[in-house]
Amino acid sequence: DIQMTQSPSTLSASVGDSVSITCRATQTIGSWLAWYQQKPGKAPKLLIYKASNLETGVPSRFSGSASGTEFTLTISSLQPDDFATYYCQQYHSYTYTFGQGTKLEIK
Amino acid sequence: QLQLQESGPGLVKPSETLSLTCTVSGASFSNNNYYWGWIRQPPGKGLEWIGSLSSGGTTYYNPSLTSRVTLSVDTSKNQFSLIWTSVHAADTALYYCARSEVWGSSPKRSFDSWGQGILVTVSS
Repeated sequence: DIQMTQSPSTLSASVGDSVSITCRATQTIGSWLAWYQQKPGKAPKLLIYKASNLETGVPSRFSGSASGTEFTLTISSLQPDDFATYYCQQYHSYTYTFGQGTKLEIK
Repeated sequence: QLQLQESGPGLVKPSETLSLTCTVSGASFSNNNYYWGWIRQPPGKGLEWIGSLSSGGTTYYNPSLTSRVTLSVDTSKNQFSLIWTSVHAADTALYYCARSEVWGSSPKRSFDSWGQGILVTVSS
C-alpha cells in the first residue's frame, strides 16, 4: 500500500504570509496527487488536482508542485479564509490514500 | 449542479451492520468516467478512503478495510450504498460520499464533489 507522509502537522502563520505544506509518497505515483481544504463541520474542498492543476474557482494564491515522490502545496499571501486543515491525497491503481492533515493556524 | 446526499442511521449498536446510501442528483450517474466513493472521518481525526465503485458495479476497496465492507450501486435510483458489517466503537465517524473522475481525456482522479456527510455513532 502507498502511504502519504504529510508535514508539518500544524503550521502557525499570519495573514499575508506565504506557507508551504509537503506530502511524500512511499512510492512513485506520477502526478496523481490532490490537495483539499477542510473547515470545521464542512466537507473537504478540492483545491489542486494532478499535482499542480488549480480546481475551477480556487484562488490563484494556491499552487501545487511536484518533485519525484514529494509534493508541495504553497499558499501565498494568506487570507483570513485560508486558516483551515489541508489534506493531500494520492491515487494509484484505483485506490486512494490521504495524508494525515496539516492544521493551518493564525499566529 | 451535482449534489450528493448521504442517508442512513445515526446510531448503530456494536457488532451490528451499518448501511448507508448516497443519492446523486443533478448529473448523469451512469457516466463511466466517474467512480463514486465513500470516505470517513472519525471525530477530530483525518480522512480515510473506504472504497469506490463505478456505475457498472466495479468495486475497489481500501485493503485495510475490505473484509467488512461491501459497496453496491442501484442505477435506477441514482444511488450507491455502503454495507459495513460487525461495526465497532472505532467505526464512529462522519461518513462522506464523493465523486472522482477516473477516466476521460483529462481525469482528475480526486474527489471533486462531496456530500455533506452523515455522522454515525457506534454505541450500545
